[in-house]
Amino acid sequence: AQKVTQAQTEISVVEKEDVTLDCVYETRDTTYYLFWYKQPPSGELVFLIRRNSFDEQNEISGRYSWNFQKSTSSFNFTITASQVVDSAVYFCALSGRPTGNQFYFGTGTSLTVIP
Amino acid sequence: AAGVIQSPRHLIKEKRETATLKCYPIPRHDTVYWYQQGPGQDPQFLISFYEKMQSDKGSIPDRFSAQQFSDYHSELNMSSLELGDSALYFCASSNTGLADKQETQYFGPGTRLLVL
Repeated sequence: AQKVTQAQTEISVVEKEDVTLDCVYETRDTTYYLFWYKQPPSGELVFLIRRNSFDEQNEISGRYSWNFQKSTSSFNFTITASQVVDSAVYFCALSGRPTGNQFYFGTGTSLTVIP
Repeated sequence: AAGVIQSPRHLIKEKRETATLKCYPIPRHDTVYWYQQGPGQDPQFLISFYEKMQSDKGSIPDRFSAQQFSDYHSELNMSSLELGDSALYFCASSNTGLADKQETQYFGPGTRLLVL
């Protein structure tokens, strides 16, 4: 079955600190896709990053970076030099074939950046 | 760039009433998804449509139905509303193309439904 676990319910950091959000997943799909979305207090879901199961290369995009490790079924997301505007709930999501294109979300991590 | 449009943004209904939520996907996107997010919870998949045909079905109650029209917009119809239906309803769209191609889902701003 598809499952996403975000063990961190709430995190608080002081502005300019780095913060890593953890995501562990379970899937029986041979091809799968992992995503991170941000949900600010206004409620919309904003796409941040995506990773395919056949591409373990980790990248940096501005202040965002991610660490995808198939061996540990983890897809962690790091924000460097955090800013107050980063305060939001962050969701990790999983989809795959042949299960289907629908997303399975983790329970979310609420990040508060303190000025 | 054009985003997913949802209407209405807010809706208040009484128990046992009906509601219709509308979704207009990003142009040239062929797949529409509906999700329900209860207070403090993660979004739960309800149903999706690819090229106007139902493609996947999740935890959608029998009281709910949905369809995708020829112009690719989608409507979620909710009948016999219950207090527990109060939630944020998201529509998302993607350009799925071939069956094995998974594209990123882009979410609309959501419709906040309150059932009294």
